[in-house]
Formats: sequence, C-alpha cells, structure tokens
Amino acid sequence: QVTLKESGPGMLQPSKTLSLTCSFSGFSLSTSGMVVSWIRQPSGKSLEWLAAIDWDGDKYYNPSLKSRLTVSKDTSNTQVFLKITSVDIADTATYYCAPRYYGPYYFDYWGQGVMVTVSS
Amino acid sequence: DIRMTQSPASLSASLGETVNIECLASEDIYSDLAWYQQKPGKSPQLLIYNANSLQNGVPSRFSGSGSGTQYSLKINSLQSEDVATYFCQQYNNYPFTFGSGTKLEIK
Repeated sequence: QVTLKESGPGMLQPSKTLSLTCSFSGFSLSTSGMVVSWIRQPSGKSLEWLAAIDWDGDKYYNPSLKSRLTVSKDTSNTQVFLKITSVDIADTATYYCAPRYYGPYYFDYWGQGVMVTVSS
Repeated sequence: DIRMTQSPASLSASLGETVNIECLASEDIYSDLAWYQQKPGKSPQLLIYNANSLQNGVPSRFSGSGSGTQYSLKINSLQSEDVATYFCQQYNNYPFTFGSGTKLEIK
C-alpha cells in the first residue's frame, strides 16, 4: 500500500528558505522507473508542478521556479526533499508529493499535503 | 510551457443531469491528459488518464474523450457526491501543467 506524508515548517518569513520532506512507504525510490514529484496549490487556486526526482537521481524542475528549487532524496530512498529559497507570499500553498512508476506521468497517488504560510 | 485552458470555471447542474467540462491545450498533447477530482480539504484523486482510460475504482458515469488539443470530461447521471472541483493535467511535456479548475455544484 502506497502512503505518502509531507511535512514542513507550517509558517515562515519572507526571504527564508522553505524545506519540505516527503516520507513514503509502499515503494522504494531505488526501483528503476520510480519518480517522485512535488506539486503545490495555493488556497482556492489550481495546481502547479514544481519538480521531480527519479530513481537514478536525475532531477527535473519547472523552469519558472528552477533558480529557487532544489529537489533531493535520502540514501535509504524513503524520503524526498524540496527546498525553495527566498520565499515570498506567493509561495503560500499546500504542497503535495506524488510518485509515479514509469511514465506516463499522471498522478494516481498523492500525499495528504502540507500547508505552508509565508508571512512576516 | 503548454497552457491548459479549462472551461467553464464553475458549473451548476441538477441531480441526474449530464455535465461536460472542457480542456484546451495550447499545442497537441497526443492524449497525454488526465482528469482529477478534488473535494474540499482533500488531495486530488485521479479519474481519467490517457484522455479516456478510467482509473480503477472510478464510477463508470465518468468518461473522458478528445485528441490533439481538445479534451473533455463527461459526468453522466450527476450524483451529490460529485460536488467537487475538477482539474485537467497534461503530461506530454515538462513542465506538467494543469487547467484552472471547474467547480461543480448541485442546483
């Protein structure tokens, strides 16, 4: 059974770095073909795909945010991380992680999401 | 980036009615399109993938169609539990992009 849980600071100040963790079970990111994506959603708005990392450590970023994003994984292949530098109010959103085993890259599993508020 | 234009933004229909939601891609996405349902406070749930394939466990009153740049989600015999916001997503090209959403209510 695939389960995912995102965690983060809840609230942080503008200009700080946001660090998020996606902890999962039911699959391993060491499995060839696995990819985990990060997606966010401001309250009442649509979804935005941010970044992904695959089993081989290859990383993929949304060009609109690429300069501020870093995606990584732990050596046990059970957690994925996302860092967003220089946050501002526009980064206030619920952040989700979502895995996919090989393409095509629609998302059949989602975490519960973690809400992050950027406020001074 | 591929832009996904979704319409309508909101929709009100009666129980038992049929509703259609449209998504227009800014370029050909070769049926690499998914539809999601999101209820308030919940994560999105996959309904349709590859434009017309029904995800396991999704009621058969949901169906998808389309090709090229034009796609649609059809909900037959609207039920009260279908009240939600619906999103399309293209996965033909990075960055994956989503439509703006359609909020469905019961009249």
